[in-house]
Amino acid sequence: NAGVTQTPKFRVLKTGQSMTLLCAQDMNHEYMYWYRQDPGMGLRLIHYSVGEGTTAKGEVPDGYNVSRLKKQNFLLGLESAAPSQTSVYFCASSYVLLLAGANTGELFFGEGSRLTVL
Amino acid sequence: TQLLEQSPQFLSIQEGENLTVYCNSSSVFSSLQWYRQEPGEGPVLLVTVVTGGEVKKLKRLTFQFGDARKDSSLHITAAQPGDTGLYLCAGLPGSNYKLTFGKGTLLTVNP
Repeated sequence: NAGVTQTPKFRVLKTGQSMTLLCAQDMNHEYMYWYRQDPGMGLRLIHYSVGEGTTAKGEVPDGYNVSRLKKQNFLLGLESAAPSQTSVYFCASSYVLLLAGANTGELFFGEGSRLTVL
Repeated sequence: TQLLEQSPQFLSIQEGENLTVYCNSSSVFSSLQWYRQEPGEGPVLLVTVVTGGEVKKLKRLTFQFGDARKDSSLHITAAQPGDTGLYLCAGLPGSNYKLTFGKGTLLTVNP
């Protein structure tokens, strides 16, 4: 019963280092998202994808890149990590369920990846 | 820009008390969802509301969507320690796929 799996769960980086967070979902969902969660700020959307091979910017995309080469995977990259990117990162996937013209599909979240940049 | 304002930000109550959490916006949402998040885990969907004025009940939880689809509330009756968690409202402005979250209400129910 995997659902959405994120790796790694914890990582410590030095300023300027690069890394990639991997998100994998086994529910055949079209849509995938990367959010970051900071104290007092709620969940903020970094990037999202509405299908294999497509990506789009969210609310806070600067300093991050993403790729969706396979439908089940969504990668989040940090090219040159900064202390401001210390956060908990959540991946989510969803289906589209249109109801009265509204998309009401549920988001399924991973357990989060805690990143610290020193 | 944070489109959804949640209040209160923190709430600490005793077991058995009732409480209401609010989610307000100046924007119209085509649908609104409530999620609950426990420490160390990702948020889990509680409910989705779509129609203005809609009321949904989930055991001791009652969710309401405002008539103008700009606000929502979550009411918990006879709160229990198991209700402790971060409650997040999230809205879809239109038919796009960018779900916007409020900052959340951290609820603590003391035994």
